[in-house]
Amino acid sequence: KQEVTQIPAALSVPEGENLVLNCSFTDSAIYNLQWFRQDPGKGLTSLLLIQSSQREQTSGRLNASLDKSSGRSTLYIAASQPGDSATYLCAVVNTGTASKLTFGTGTRLQVTL
Amino acid sequence: GAGVSQSPSNKVTEKGKDVELRCDPISGHTALYWYRQSLGQGLEFLIYFQGNSAPDKSGLPSDRFSAERTGGSVSTLTIQRTQQEDSAVYLCASSQGPSAGNTIYFGEGSWLTVV
Repeated sequence: KQEVTQIPAALSVPEGENLVLNCSFTDSAIYNLQWFRQDPGKGLTSLLLIQSSQREQTSGRLNASLDKSSGRSTLYIAASQPGDSATYLCAVVNTGTASKLTFGTGTRLQVTL
Repeated sequence: GAGVSQSPSNKVTEKGKDVELRCDPISGHTALYWYRQSLGQGLEFLIYFQGNSAPDKSGLPSDRFSAERTGGSVSTLTIQRTQQEDSAVYLCASSQGPSAGNTIYFGEGSWLTVV
């Protein structure tokens, strides 16, 4: 059974810092990995999707990497801003279960002024 | 529509009553998912619809939960004889095809409280 872990559970950084969020998964047989953002009381917004054949994806100040063999992904946020404050979730789709995302429990990020 | 739409956004119901939650996926999306997010918990897969294929119901927690998707578009999640442990946010999502190769888009959820 796939298990997805995110460390740290919570993180507080001052504005302007670069930061890294970590995601690990136990079963490397995945189709893809997605990073999402969830604001309080809101649904999830997809940030980046990395296919299993890819090593990284970039969107603006966000860069996500994937090391499938070691079961790890990182989300790098450059020059953090208070508007980046949210919970960040990673999720994987396993081969053979193309319908289901297995989610981590998230990292709650606060960027302070 | 522009995004995944869910209704009601909030629902308070008495224990033992039935509730229906509705989801309007993004137009043209063939895949539709329901997830549940309980307080302090991760997202839990409930059910998946893909086109005209039989739905994947493997995540439904009990036979009190059911879902249907009419005409390949709107979906309704029904919870019968609600219990307090059913209190959670119910999130619907859609994608152009199976999540294996497609970005998945979530609605803002239906917040269910069973009192």
